[in-house]
Amino acid sequence: SQQGEEDPQALSIQEGENATMNCSYKTSINNLQWYRQNSGRGLVHLILIRSNEREKHSGRLRVTLDTSKKSSSLLITASRAADTASYFCATDEGTALIFGKGTTLSVSS
Amino acid sequence: SQTIHQWPATLVQPVGSPLSLECTVEGTSNPNLYWYRQAAGRGLQLLFYSVGIGQISSEVPQNLSASRPQDRQFILSSKKLLLSDSGFYLCAWETSGVTDTQYFGPGTRLTVL
Repeated sequence: SQQGEEDPQALSIQEGENATMNCSYKTSINNLQWYRQNSGRGLVHLILIRSNEREKHSGRLRVTLDTSKKSSSLLITASRAADTASYFCATDEGTALIFGKGTTLSVSS
Repeated sequence: SQTIHQWPATLVQPVGSPLSLECTVEGTSNPNLYWYRQAAGRGLQLLFYSVGIGQISSEVPQNLSASRPQDRQFILSSKKLLLSDSGFYLCAWETSGVTDTQYFGPGTRLTVL
């Protein structure tokens, strides 16, 4: 089953700009996570935000969660070419995480 | 520290041939283990998960099966591959009892011709 849906599907920006990706989900959650995937590689965990949290920071990453709207956003500030990757949100559903289809971010120098 | 291994890294197989992909985890005990498939340009589809030896849950009906013969070993198999089995297969582990951070292996790129 598909829980999270990221928006936009693709995003192209210049180095130094901020990138914002959104995720919407359908059912109640305990937590929401964001992962990054470089082309042809496994996923890497970026940040987890619990349902009772509204905002969380990690370095240049800022995640917000609005449980009333069932949505989350990932903001990457001062983007770098190395941030080029696909970004996925994931929500917990019983024993498993359910991943969205991802946002492909391209940062050009 | 914990590490997760997958092999092979790439595989090209003819239609109708068998498949065996292996995933092993080091540095942790009794992890939850997961197999995902990612089609080109798509999100992750959960295939199987396991909370213990011999315990396998299947998320979608398909041509694949999974086994967990040892605590930190998870195997994905097929008796006869289909063209639609092509994709990027990812194994992941997480701490038992908590639906929390998952740690992914490097993946196996399977091409069925």
